[in-house]
This record gives sequence, C-alpha cells and structure tokens, in this order.
Amino acid sequence: QQQVRQSPQSLTVWEGETAILNCSYEDSTFDYFPWYWQFPRESPALLIAIRPVSNKKEDGRFTIFFNKREKKLSLHITDSQPGDSATYFCAAIASSSFSKLVFGQGTSLSVVP
Amino acid sequence: EAAVTQSPRSKVAVTGGKVTLSCHQTNNHDYMYWYRQDTGHGLRLIHYSYVADSTEKGDIPDGYKASRPSQENFSLILELASLSQTAVYFCASSEDSANTEVFFGKGTRLTVV
Repeated sequence: QQQVRQSPQSLTVWEGETAILNCSYEDSTFDYFPWYWQFPRESPALLIAIRPVSNKKEDGRFTIFFNKREKKLSLHITDSQPGDSATYFCAAIASSSFSKLVFGQGTSLSVVP
Repeated sequence: EAAVTQSPRSKVAVTGGKVTLSCHQTNNHDYMYWYRQDTGHGLRLIHYSYVADSTEKGDIPDGYKASRPSQENFSLILELASLSQTAVYFCASSEDSANTEVFFGKGTRLTVV
C-alpha cells in the first residue's frame, strides 16, 4: 500500500524552464511534508518542507504548493538548472509517529542545457 | 550539522551469512532509523528506535533485526542474508518527534551473492 505517490516517474526539462513534480497522499494524520533530493550515490538531503497550515512555501527557485482538501502537493522548480538534475522524493510524517518518514517512489529530473 | 556515520560503506556478503551494519551519531539525537533503498525506488523503513535498549519494527522488518545499545549506536543485523536483501541501506537520526528534520548517513551498499 503506497501511502505517498509521486508523478511523473521521470521528467526532462530544458534549462530555464519550470519543472513541476507532483505528490499525493492518503493518510490524514500526516502533518509535515518534506521534499528530499538525492544525487547519484549520495544520501537524500532535505530540500524544502511544508506544514498543512500553509498552502505555499517558497525557498529561492523552489516552491511547494499544498492542497489539503485534495491531499495533493507539488514542487515547482523555476529557471531549472542542470545542477538540479537529481531524484526528488516527496515524503510525509505524522508527528505522532516518531518522525517516521514515509517516502514516495521518487521523480527523476533531468535538466538539459 | 548533524553527523551520522555508517560502516561499512559497502559490503559483499554470501547468501546465508550474517551481516551487521553499524551506525553512529554524535548529535545527541533520541530517534534513529534504518531505511532500505532499492534501485529506482524510494526509501522504506526497516526498524527504528526512540530510546537506547529499545527497537521498533518499521514497515519491512522481516529478515532484519536491530540493536540500540546506546543513544549513539544503532545496528542492523541480517542473520541469514538473502539475495533479495541486496540494496543500499541508510541510517538516519532526528532529535525528537517534534523536531522533524531527519539526517541521513551516507549509506551502505550491500550486495548479497
């Protein structure tokens, strides 16, 4: 049972375009949604995160849009750069559950110069 | 920044053999986790611990044991390694359930032959 789903599985954009990565979840007790990025042969690293009290979180070129009613969120990467090429994981935590991260399957993003 | 150190970084094990993966954190974190990542997939939780001398089962505990002898150390044990346990294993830690940032080690690449 996949509690966190991501789409698309892979995405290719040109340098300078906006990449949109989608995520949906099922468990209403999730109350923290971090996005991690992972480069080949490295460990996941926190990129940006949002709590359901907000419907938008911005950090430079990275923005999370959150729709609590539909249980959906998306990560927008504006002015995409080749260095953004990585696998992006949407994750979710219920703070009552010992900070156990539940990961989506990931979206592999390629930014072409 | 939080430091989580895993050893070994890579290992080749024989089917049916015993494997111990070690994790050490120096940040006084109460919560520690073991995740497994298979090629092209997200991370799945194997075991976790929120206090020394106690471990809890995660989502995929079968075939794995865990040990938390101290706050700093958390081991993952494969008593009878199988081919299906070939994967990258990540240890992680976080301060407590309210502080939800999770810090990952660099991973252990395990190949069972």
